[in-house]
Amino acid sequence: SQTIHQWPATLVQPVGSPLSLECTVEGTSNPNLYWYRQAAGRGLQLLFYSVGIGQISSEVPQNLSASRPQDRQFILSSKKLLLSDSGFYLCAWSVRRGSDSPLHFGNGTRLTVT
Amino acid sequence: KQEVTQIPAALSVPEGENLVLNCSFTDSAIYNLQWFRQDPGKGLTSLLLIQSSQREQTSGRLNASLDKSSGRSTLYIAASQPGDSATYLCAVRPGDSNYQLIWGAGTKLIIKP
Repeated sequence: SQTIHQWPATLVQPVGSPLSLECTVEGTSNPNLYWYRQAAGRGLQLLFYSVGIGQISSEVPQNLSASRPQDRQFILSSKKLLLSDSGFYLCAWSVRRGSDSPLHFGNGTRLTVT
Repeated sequence: KQEVTQIPAALSVPEGENLVLNCSFTDSAIYNLQWFRQDPGKGLTSLLLIQSSQREQTSGRLNASLDKSSGRSTLYIAASQPGDSATYLCAVRPGDSNYQLIWGAGTKLIIKP
C-alpha cells in the first residue's frame, strides 16, 4: 500500500532563517506531488506541484521554492523565512495518469515563524 | 471564477443521528468533486471522489451526491458516531485544470456522545 511521510511535524524558526521540509512517498511510482499551505481559518492554497523529477510548477509567487530530486521525494524550501510564512504545510500525492484520482495527504508540518 | 462554499461552518449533533453536509460551487464545468475529512492538527483523508458524470458515491456509512447542474454536493453520514467528529472539506477540480483544486472552507462537525 502507498504511504506518504512528511517531516518534521512541528517547527519553530526565527525570521530570516532557512527552511527545508521534506516529503516522501512509498509504494507508488511516478506520482504527481503537491505542496499546500493551510492558513488558520482559510482554505487550502496550492503552492507547488510536480509531475516528474525536476519538473516544478508554482501556483503562487512567494518566498518559497520546491524541488524534486528523486521520483518520490518533494522538498519545500526557503532561504529566508518571513512571519507570513507561518502556517500548516501539507504534502500530497496522486496517481499521475488521469486527473480523476484522489489526493492523498501527509500529516502536515506546523510552521511557526517568530 | 469557481468558488466553493460549505454551509454551515460548524455543526453539532447527538450521536446516532443521520446528517447532511452541504457543498456548493458556482461553475458547473467541473471534472470531479472530492470530500475529505481533517482531524485537528492532521492532514486530510480522502473520503469520496465523484466524477462529473456520476450522481453519487458510497463508502460504508458515507454517501456523497453530486448535482452538477445546480452546483451542489451533499455528504450524508448515517448513524453518526463520536469518531466522525472532524472538519469535512469539499474540493472541486475545474474542467480546465489537471492539478488545481478549488476548496471550500470546511464544516466542523461535532458528534456528542
